[in-house]
Amino acid sequence: AQSVAQPEDQVNVAEGNPLTVKCTYSVSGNPYLFWYVQYPNRGLQFLLKYITGDNLVKGSYGFEAEFNKSQTSFHLKKPSALVSDSALYFCAVRDTRYSSASKIIFGSGTRLSIRP
Amino acid sequence: NAGVTQTPKFQVLKTGQSMTLQCAQDMNHEYMSWYRQDPGMGLRLIHYSVGAGITDQGEVPNGYNVSRSTTEDFPLRLLSAAPSQTSVYFCASTQQGANTDTQYFGPGTRLTVL
Repeated sequence: AQSVAQPEDQVNVAEGNPLTVKCTYSVSGNPYLFWYVQYPNRGLQFLLKYITGDNLVKGSYGFEAEFNKSQTSFHLKKPSALVSDSALYFCAVRDTRYSSASKIIFGSGTRLSIRP
Repeated sequence: NAGVTQTPKFQVLKTGQSMTLQCAQDMNHEYMSWYRQDPGMGLRLIHYSVGAGITDQGEVPNGYNVSRSTTEDFPLRLLSAAPSQTSVYFCASTQQGANTDTQYFGPGTRLTVL
């Protein structure tokens, strides 16, 4: 079975500092990995994804994520946090064994809070 | 393109009532999904569809029915609402293909069952 874990419910960072939001996954086949962001009272928005190739993936709003196969991790990072980055972040995984693109499993979410 | 639209935005039901949450997309995506979002539990997949006429169950299908008569529409039906179904419901659509898989989400429906 596929699963994804976000070990931190909340991450607090000062503006201008680097941030990391952690994600680990478990799949039987090769993973497709995603990060989504949710602002208050809004639906989820796509940030970035790893399908194959370079382990460092760059996405929207200056975010990037590093795929680490040996540690089964896909941590989200940003070199310099902005107050506007404050939101709820979700990691998601799809096991490539499944032919359906809809079988994507989400983590429980990490609330990122950036203080001025 | 309007993307993924959901109606209503808010709904209050009494226990035992039925209702349908509407979802539509204008991107010609084959895959559509329904999720519920509860505090501390992330998004859980209720039902999904890989194309018109084809639906399947997700992680938490009990108490919900779906149908997919057209590519554009994917309604979610609550047959007899229960307080445990109080949640925020999101519909999503996805374009088929190994290099896509990006899900487009609707704005959500906040449902309260009393």
